[in-house]
Amino acid sequence: EVQLLESGGGLAQPGGSLRLSCAASGFSFSDYGMTWVRQAPGKGLEWVSSITKGGDNIFYAASVRGRFSNSRDNSKNTLYLQMDSLRAEDTAIYYCAKKLAVGGRDQLDHWGQGTLVTVSS
Amino acid sequence: DIQLTQSPSFLSASVGDRVTITCRASQGIASYLAWYQQKLGKGPKLLIYSASTLQSGVPSRFSGSGSGTEFTLTISSLQPEDFATYSCQQVNSFPLTFGGGTKVEIK
Repeated sequence: EVQLLESGGGLAQPGGSLRLSCAASGFSFSDYGMTWVRQAPGKGLEWVSSITKGGDNIFYAASVRGRFSNSRDNSKNTLYLQMDSLRAEDTAIYYCAKKLAVGGRDQLDHWGQGTLVTVSS
Repeated sequence: DIQLTQSPSFLSASVGDRVTITCRASQGIASYLAWYQQKLGKGPKLLIYSASTLQSGVPSRFSGSGSGTEFTLTISSLQPEDFATYSCQQVNSFPLTFGGGTKVEIK
């Protein structure tokens, strides 16, 4: 059974940093691209970043580019999101999600339960 | 960036109703569209990918259609467990984008 377990969320001050982790199990992690998606309270889904299976290609939303860094450690089956220079508008539940197919587009067939990030002084 | 406009943003329906949700893209995306269902406090669940392919394990009352700029998600006979929020996502190009969501509530 595919499982994705996010951790690392919490309260951060504006300008601060957090590092999210997503522990994957139940599939061959190194074969699949992975994505971070966030959802602000009461709002819709917002794509944050995607990383290819080998970590060689990474894509970011304009709203986080230069502040967030997406990475993965295939030896540990873990995805990371380093979040720096946090802003109040980064407050959201952050989900990691697995790409549906080894090839093809970034349609997401499994999602974690999410981790809440709150940015406030 | 490709914008996705979902309509309606909210709908009230009864068990057994046929429900249709529309997703319009600001430019052509071929069939690179997915639909998700999200219940309160949970992560989204993939229902449909490539505009019309039913994800494994999803009931056949869900169907998707369309290509280019206009897409629909149809629930043929609404069941109690279908009351949720539905969102479309384009995967044609980065940045990936989602529609604003359609909340389906009990009438």
